[in-house]
Amino acid sequence: QKEVEQDPGPLSVPEGAIVSLNCTYSNSAFQYFMWYRQYSRKGPELLMYTYSSGNKEDGRFTAQVDKSSKYISLFIRDSQPSDSATYLCAPLNGGSEKLVFGKGTKLTVNP
Amino acid sequence: DTAVSQTPKYLVTQMGNDKSIKCEQNLGHDTMYWYKQDSKKFLKIMFSYNNKELIINETVPNRFSPKSPDKAHLNLHINSLELGDSAVYFCASSQRLGHGQTSTDTQYFGPGTRLTVL
Repeated sequence: QKEVEQDPGPLSVPEGAIVSLNCTYSNSAFQYFMWYRQYSRKGPELLMYTYSSGNKEDGRFTAQVDKSSKYISLFIRDSQPSDSATYLCAPLNGGSEKLVFGKGTKLTVNP
Repeated sequence: DTAVSQTPKYLVTQMGNDKSIKCEQNLGHDTMYWYKQDSKKFLKIMFSYNNKELIINETVPNRFSPKSPDKAHLNLHINSLELGDSAVYFCASSQRLGHGQTSTDTQYFGPGTRLTVL
């Protein structure tokens, strides 16, 4: 079983839709859960991160972690065409600097 | 201002050649990384340096040799290039985010170097 599993999509939604992106992981030592956004032909950029279980909201984005089921989610409200990108989840052990990336989900928001 | 920069942006070369990719960060971070993103967009860490010292060395062929002349620079030299080395190589540097228990290092990526081996 891979450490991080993420459905690569592609996912295509109309503008204004609510988007749900998900990952599962196998390593119970992960404590930090990052979401990166990668536009085409660019480097990944950090979108937000959470520590342990729970929710974190940042504008239209909400990150959710359920450590009991090892499930990570990113919700995008009122999606915009500018949200079209690949979203990568990347959990991390506390004290480790080794991010483990999911394969990424390619999202297209159609105007 | 460019935070993490890489040169060259594109590199096309023949099998068997030796090539180098350079990375520089002006963020004052102590830790730098090299990642490889293959054709299926899977991003995987290769190396990590902290203040010029190697701290992460994943299972990477010996043909790949990182060099850090100072903490702002991390270069990647590749010997005897093979077709399978074709990928996008990303450099990154990291800093601590947050405070106390919830703080963690997070990584800032460069624009990538697209290597094509013919």
